[in-house]
Amino acid sequence: GENVEQHPSTLSVQEGDSAVIKCTYSDSASNYFPWYKQELGKRPQLIIDIRSNVGEKKDQRIAVTLNKTAKHFSLHITETQPEDSAVYFCAANAGGTSYGKLTFGQGTILTVHP
Amino acid sequence: NAGVTQTPKFQVLKTGQSMTLQCAQDMNHNSMYWYRQDPGMGLRLIYYSASEGTTDKGEVPNGYNVSRLNKREFSLRLESAAPSQTSVYFCASRPTNVGTEAFFGQGTRLTVV
Repeated sequence: GENVEQHPSTLSVQEGDSAVIKCTYSDSASNYFPWYKQELGKRPQLIIDIRSNVGEKKDQRIAVTLNKTAKHFSLHITETQPEDSAVYFCAANAGGTSYGKLTFGQGTILTVHP
Repeated sequence: NAGVTQTPKFQVLKTGQSMTLQCAQDMNHNSMYWYRQDPGMGLRLIYYSASEGTTDKGEVPNGYNVSRLNKREFSLRLESAAPSQTSVYFCASRPTNVGTEAFFGQGTRLTVV
């Protein structure tokens, strides 16, 4: 089945710096790659997603890139702010016989220092 | 709209007891999911239901059963709880199993002693 690996597990940056989180996936049939943000004690919420027919997507300070050949995708946050501090999860939507299965990475704890 | 509602929010069980976690969504979504969240392990898929009438195992199904009661409701049952099942459980739903956003419930914090 699908396996999603996420790195790093923790990331500490200064306010205004950029942050990059990387994920790899194993199922070449995976077709949809969302990113979720989870604040302390809250539920995960979608911040950006990308489909397999797109290489890059940007939404204000957040961008996601996808390399299907290498089976990896990354989240880029520019001009980080203290309110960006949270746990971030990547995920991959399986294709083929596991269609619909949404597998998450292990999460990255991002801390933005003022 | 309430979105995805889970009950209960907190629960303490003794080893060997059974219980059912309830999940209901009012968004007319087809697909529903159960995840558990443990420190450093991310969100691990227990079971999912791609559409009403179907259920499939995820990464960690052992010790759990599910029922897709109707389109709105997807329950998770622990037949004989074990301390290893202490976790935060999240239910999620999404419109289809193609590339659509998953909406999460508020979570159930379960402790097995």
